[in-house]
Amino acid sequence: NAGVTQTPKFQVLKTGQSMTLQCAQDMNHNSMYWYRQDPGMGLRLIYYSASEGTTDKGEVPNGYNVSRLNKREFSLRLESAAPSQTSVYFCASIESGGPLAKNIQYFGAGTRLSVL
Amino acid sequence: AQSVTQPDIHITVSEGASLELRCNYSYGATPYLFWYVQSPGQGLQLLLKYFSGDTLVQGIKGFEAEFKRSQSSFNLRKPSVHWSDAAEYFCAVARKSNDYKLSFGAGTTVTVRA
Repeated sequence: NAGVTQTPKFQVLKTGQSMTLQCAQDMNHNSMYWYRQDPGMGLRLIYYSASEGTTDKGEVPNGYNVSRLNKREFSLRLESAAPSQTSVYFCASIESGGPLAKNIQYFGAGTRLSVL
Repeated sequence: AQSVTQPDIHITVSEGASLELRCNYSYGATPYLFWYVQSPGQGLQLLLKYFSGDTLVQGIKGFEAEFKRSQSSFNLRKPSVHWSDAAEYFCAVARKSNDYKLSFGAGTTVTVRA
């Protein structure tokens, strides 16, 4: 069972470069999320998608864009990377609207990004 | 807005001793409450959750948590810690009406000494 798969696992960028972080889930979940994790700050929501075709900003959206390509895939793009975007990025998904017991977010293993 | 406070940044506990991690949230209604654990270099694993009902919930790896509405708390406990419990622990809250977006505490790092 793959669950939530993130690629790549590691990436080093130079300031100004662009890249796309990929996320795919095979659980037929409706909602997907992108978080970033920084020391001492827990995880903070960047963007989320409540359903296919919709996206909304989270707590820290500046410098990022997202695409909900289909129900399975939700990508995060850095158009012009900055050192402040050095972080660990996590994708998550949830089967919202289903039975109460299934309303749990499942996380990918993370992408460790360094911007020099 | 909902916020989550984990007062303890770092806790050191001896193997075999009990552990309690504190979590307080600020939100008018009862949110969905979660505890996640993150081992070094790994993703987040759900330990347990509280949605409604019995305020003492059991999770995986021998952990339990108690929801106390009057204190807006959801503290995590384990009676006897194992060396493998060394990790970072995150408390999080969500609301169905807010698209289940999770708000996380800053985390508590647990060190286990022999």
